[in-house]
Amino acid sequence: RKEVEQDPGPFNVPEGATVAFNCTYSNSASQSFFWYRQDCRKEPKLLMSVYSSGNEDGRFTAQLNRASQYISLLIRDSKLSDSATYLCVVSRSNQFYFGTGTSLTVIP
Amino acid sequence: EAQVTQNPRYLITVTGKKLTVTCSQNMNHEYMSWYRQDPGLGLRQIYYSMNVEVTDKGDVPEGYKVSRKEKRNFPLILESPSPNQTSLYFCASSPPGLAGGGETQYFGPGTRLLVL
Repeated sequence: RKEVEQDPGPFNVPEGATVAFNCTYSNSASQSFFWYRQDCRKEPKLLMSVYSSGNEDGRFTAQLNRASQYISLLIRDSKLSDSATYLCVVSRSNQFYFGTGTSLTVIP
Repeated sequence: EAQVTQNPRYLITVTGKKLTVTCSQNMNHEYMSWYRQDPGLGLRQIYYSMNVEVTDKGDVPEGYKVSRKEKRNFPLILESPSPNQTSLYFCASSPPGLAGGGETQYFGPGTRLLVL
């Protein structure tokens, strides 16, 4: 079973829409959780860390449910510049495990 | 400017010809790591290093070697490259995390390798 699973999409949404991505992880001992953004085979860049209490950064909200081993990312008021692949990442014992990514295209 | 650099950015080589991809960071990070990214498989960790002279295998270490003689440098060595090592490679660095799980990673720009 994969460590991290994501719906690959693609998600095609109009500007201004709200879109949600989900991710599950298989190992309950996972310690840290992140969402990264990757543009067109460039290097991944941290979007936000994810905490059990949930956290928000502008239009982005991330949630972690340890009991269900589930991580989510909500993007409100989508912009054209949000078009990218979103990577769910978990870490455990000094190793990092990446999902295959969810592709988002925001359409004018 | 805080950054991770990789060289070369693009490389075409032939099976069996040893190559080294360099990685350097200027953020005084202790943790460094190498990944490969393949379509449909995502990023997979090859090797990582918690500090100088400390290296550990990730999920896909076969066919690769690394060394960490200095804090800033973490080269990836392919002793005898094969076509199945054709991939996009990323180096990353990170300050140590509180729970040993690692904190934010900063990635280099990537190295596209083609092995013929």
